[in-house]
Amino acid sequence: SQQGEEDPQALSIQEGENATMNCSYKTSINNLQWYRQNSGRGLVHLILIRSNEREKHSGRLRVTLDTSKKSSSLLITASRAADTASYFCAVGAGGTSYGKLTFGQGTILTVHP
Amino acid sequence: GAVVSQHPSRVICKSGTSVKIECRSLDFQATTMFWYRQFPKKSLMLMATSNEGSKATYEQGVEKDKFLINHASLTLSTLTVTSAHPEDSSFYICSASYRGAETQYFGPGTRLLVL
Repeated sequence: SQQGEEDPQALSIQEGENATMNCSYKTSINNLQWYRQNSGRGLVHLILIRSNEREKHSGRLRVTLDTSKKSSSLLITASRAADTASYFCAVGAGGTSYGKLTFGQGTILTVHP
Repeated sequence: GAVVSQHPSRVICKSGTSVKIECRSLDFQATTMFWYRQFPKKSLMLMATSNEGSKATYEQGVEKDKFLINHASLTLSTLTVTSAHPEDSSFYICSASYRGAETQYFGPGTRLLVL
């Protein structure tokens, strides 16, 4: 299975602090993506990093990918209460499964004002 | 851009009835749509992948006759839960992508409660 496993399952921080979430996977990937889900809602795409990339930035988000360790991390800097949500990593397959995503278990982030 | 809608957002039905959920891409042509199921505080489980004009490809363990998927146009896919039972109660989410895209655009989800 390519399912990502995320760590920690839950993270509680104060506004202004940084939040780091980790994701590990089992097989080779085409890309790895991070999504955010507010409670009871759909998912919003945050960032995509390809298998040949090591780091990517988007605003307050920083994603790293270590294919040798089959792991990725998402860093949210200077967190805000509005960042409170569940965050999922999703591995994108190649070949005949191109376009399919396998999601990790998610990290529930709570940012206290 | 890349907005996906789902209807209804919430549905309550009696055991044994069938429920249809619609997924629409509002501003792009979705060559592929995906249907997921999500249990409370859990991850998304891919149920099936549908390409416009083709039969859906179901993931292992998902009953084709139970969860009927139709993707008749480039902007609409439907999931019909047939003869629903309480164990089918869940949050169903669709997503859509266009040809060659790696990113999926998600609908807001449909919460199904079967009594």
